[in-house]
Amino acid sequence: EPEVTQTPSHQVTQMGQEVILRCVPISNHLYFYWYRQILGQKVEFLVSFYNNEISEKSEIFDDQFSVERPDGSNFTLKIRSTKLEDSAMYFCASAGDRHSGNQPQHFGDGTRLSIL
Amino acid sequence: DAKTTQPPSMDCAEGRAANLPCNHSTISGNEYVYWYRQIHSQGPQYIIHGLKNNETNEMASLIITEDRKSSTLILPHATLRDTAVYYCIVRVMGVGTGANNLFFGTGTRLTVIP
Repeated sequence: EPEVTQTPSHQVTQMGQEVILRCVPISNHLYFYWYRQILGQKVEFLVSFYNNEISEKSEIFDDQFSVERPDGSNFTLKIRSTKLEDSAMYFCASAGDRHSGNQPQHFGDGTRLSIL
Repeated sequence: DAKTTQPPSMDCAEGRAANLPCNHSTISGNEYVYWYRQIHSQGPQYIIHGLKNNETNEMASLIITEDRKSSTLILPHATLRDTAVYYCIVRVMGVGTGANNLFFGTGTRLTVIP
């Protein structure tokens, strides 16, 4: 069964440094998402991406965050200047191999980001 | 989006059916009920979804009441591997909409007991 893959599984970064989290969505999917989960808390929506542009973003997704689909297979989340509170699990998801709604999102197993 | 209410925790004996309830009394006519689960620290795993009819797949069954104000996820023969947090999410799904973001609550922590 096709799956969403994320790399690295664990990223340790110094505060203030830039970090890029990478995701390979399911082939032929059209919609892409990033979520995060701070340890012990809920899964929170960050951003959705469709047709090479952001569809929607949450309040968490401020100017320090950006997303990109640099080629036909990767979907990346960049945090420009990391803060301690950015430490969390970051999940990528993808959905929709056709232009219709009602399609479930499929998640990767996440990247654990630790900011020191 | 309609708010959902789930019990914080449930236990189920291994091999028995696990019935996980969800209340969504403010659900709108165009909102679907989605179920996901999260095993330990893994990514959320899609289980099943439905609009108004009952649904069944290889993982589970979804029973939606006629008034759509509540639903039940049924795992017919629970195994130890089904121990996880189960999330009931109500969301509008539309043609061509790119967003359809999921908003997770705190879910139900299901523990399958040997």
